[in-house]
Amino acid sequence: IAGITQAPTSQILAAGRRMTLRCTQDMRHNAMYWYRQDLGLGLRLIHYSNTAGTTGKGEVPDGYSVSRANTDDFPLTLASAVPSQTSVYFCASSPVAGSTDTQYFGPGTRLTVL
Amino acid sequence: GQNIDQPTEMTATEGAIVQINCTYQTSGFNGLFWYQQHAGEAPTFLSYNVLDGLEEKGRFSSFLSRSKGYSYLLLKELQMKDSASYLCVAKDSNYQLIWGAGTKLIIKP
Repeated sequence: IAGITQAPTSQILAAGRRMTLRCTQDMRHNAMYWYRQDLGLGLRLIHYSNTAGTTGKGEVPDGYSVSRANTDDFPLTLASAVPSQTSVYFCASSPVAGSTDTQYFGPGTRLTVL
Repeated sequence: GQNIDQPTEMTATEGAIVQINCTYQTSGFNGLFWYQQHAGEAPTFLSYNVLDGLEEKGRFSSFLSRSKGYSYLLLKELQMKDSASYLCVAKDSNYQLIWGAGTKLIIKP
């Protein structure tokens, strides 16, 4: 692996179903982030993690949960999907939280909730 | 509130120069980024400014005026591969990123 990977690439999901989006990085970055990107809007932060074992809420956390059991993995779970969660989801990482470091992005997961 | 304003769409000709403007309003300021995002792909880092002035990196340059809350991205010698969205991103006093919606740049032959 080089950089950040996300899985699945795309998914169509029935409303009410549970879904976990996976994110793995091999750069040993401390900080990781989940964003959603919707047409006409800037990226919106869902949850973040400054270091393994800690997580925090972003701008739009409702309906989503995360965990950070180790440095490399940062899964995002939708407990009961709703159509408004149809979006493109990007995972990102940066070397250090709370700094001016550049964020590096995964390729994204395109999620459609019907 | 915190806000980023940038044009929704711009069109330019191959070989020409284009300037994409961005104004920002944030609670404190810790720098401004520009990211490039091709359709269907992830954003990738282009530039970072924290001090006033112009930063040049090959065909791309980025300018910042902190007193005016203003930045621009200048692209020279445009190529077809420069067709993409350009995202202006400001970092506030808590090091949180405020993302603009992006400017879609269309390059015509």
